[in-house]
Amino acid sequence: EAGVTQFPSHSVIEKGQTVTLRCDPISGHDNLYWYRRVMGKEIKFLLHFVKESKQDESGMPNNRFLAERTGGTYSTLKVQPAELEDSGVYFCASSPGWSGYTFGSGTRLTVV
Amino acid sequence: AQSVAQPEDQVNVAEGNPLTVKCTYSVSGNPYLFWYVQYPNRGLQFLLKYITGDNLVKGSYGFEAEFNKSQTSFHLKKPSALVSDSALYFCAVRDSASKIIFGSGTRLSIRP
Repeated sequence: EAGVTQFPSHSVIEKGQTVTLRCDPISGHDNLYWYRRVMGKEIKFLLHFVKESKQDESGMPNNRFLAERTGGTYSTLKVQPAELEDSGVYFCASSPGWSGYTFGSGTRLTVV
Repeated sequence: AQSVAQPEDQVNVAEGNPLTVKCTYSVSGNPYLFWYVQYPNRGLQFLLKYITGDNLVKGSYGFEAEFNKSQTSFHLKKPSALVSDSALYFCAVRDSASKIIFGSGTRLSIRP
């Protein structure tokens, strides 16, 4: 079984630019989550999809962040325009239910 | 609200010695608790979980965790540490909305 795939693995962009992160969940997993770890702090929840619907987006920091999940398959997280404080590692996870997640390797975003 | 606390930023242990990484939790209702590990330049990997049943949970790579309801703790343990266990460890709890809340992480360093 293929795992959760995230790309790019690393991204370095300038402040004000746009970046799009992609997550491919495990096939058949209806639940998809985005998390991020900023500046070595704790891993924080961003949002939760059930299929193509946003179940919970309470963790999205501001309207510069836009997440989509086309057809309930892969998901993208766009940051526009990126700010310095957006630097960190963005993790995606998927699960068939609630008993545990499978995480991707993460995307390390650096905004300079 | 559910939360977890990892009181130690760093734990240093000599190879071959037992290790403990501490975690305490605060939940309403029954706790669903997890440990994840992040090796350098890798994603988050699931180690073990407690949902119900035996208080001593065994997981991957020889790790185990003891659920203690009276002390609201879920400490991660291993009888004999390996240098390859050096990594970042996160304790986590599932909240009522099915998302996982992470602790701040503990960096485990095993010296040869």
